[in-house]
Amino acid sequence: AQSVTQLGSHVSVSEGALVLLRCNYSSSVPPYLFWYVQYPNQGLQLLLKYTTGATLVKGINGFEAEFKKSETSFHLTKPSAHMSDAAEYFCAVSDPPMNYGGATNKLIFGTGTLLAVQP
Amino acid sequence: DVKVTQSSRYLVKRTGEKVFLECVQDMDHENMFWYRQDPGLGLRLIYFSYDVKMKEKGDIPEGYSVSREKKERFSLILESASTNQTSMYLCASSLFAARAKNIQYFGAGTRLSVL
Repeated sequence: AQSVTQLGSHVSVSEGALVLLRCNYSSSVPPYLFWYVQYPNQGLQLLLKYTTGATLVKGINGFEAEFKKSETSFHLTKPSAHMSDAAEYFCAVSDPPMNYGGATNKLIFGTGTLLAVQP
Repeated sequence: DVKVTQSSRYLVKRTGEKVFLECVQDMDHENMFWYRQDPGLGLRLIYFSYDVKMKEKGDIPEGYSVSREKKERFSLILESASTNQTSMYLCASSLFAARAKNIQYFGAGTRLSVL
């Protein structure tokens, strides 16, 4: 069964500092991996995804993540934090989609990391 | 842009009431999902649907049912609300998996309080 572990339910950084949010997964097949962000009182918004190809993926708002198969990790980084980055971040995993027109493939979410940015 | 609209942002209901949460998407997506979000537990899948009138249980279906009579609308029903169903409920939609790369689009959420 697939699972996602996000280390650190709360992370605090200073404005301008490196942001590093950790995500490890378990999957029996090469997975699809996602990071979503949730701003206060809003739904989830896709930050970035890894499906196939280049293992370093870039997303919106200056975030990027690297798929490391040997470490089963997909950590999210941003070189310089901004106050507007304060939000909750969720890592998610799924199996690659089936190629026939069958049922959907579900996302399995981690428990989330709340990022605080101090001035 | 994909738009997933949840009919209510906040709801307050009493124990034992029947509660309907409505979700509408405007992008002709085949798949629709209902999650609940609780602090420290992340998002947990309640039910999903991959076609009209089709539904499958997620990880925590107990106490819930769903209805999908039209492609764009997916309803979550709490047959008899209980206090342990106080939570944030999120609806999502996506294209069929093979075309979608499993990307799901989320509504803004409904915060339900059961008193």
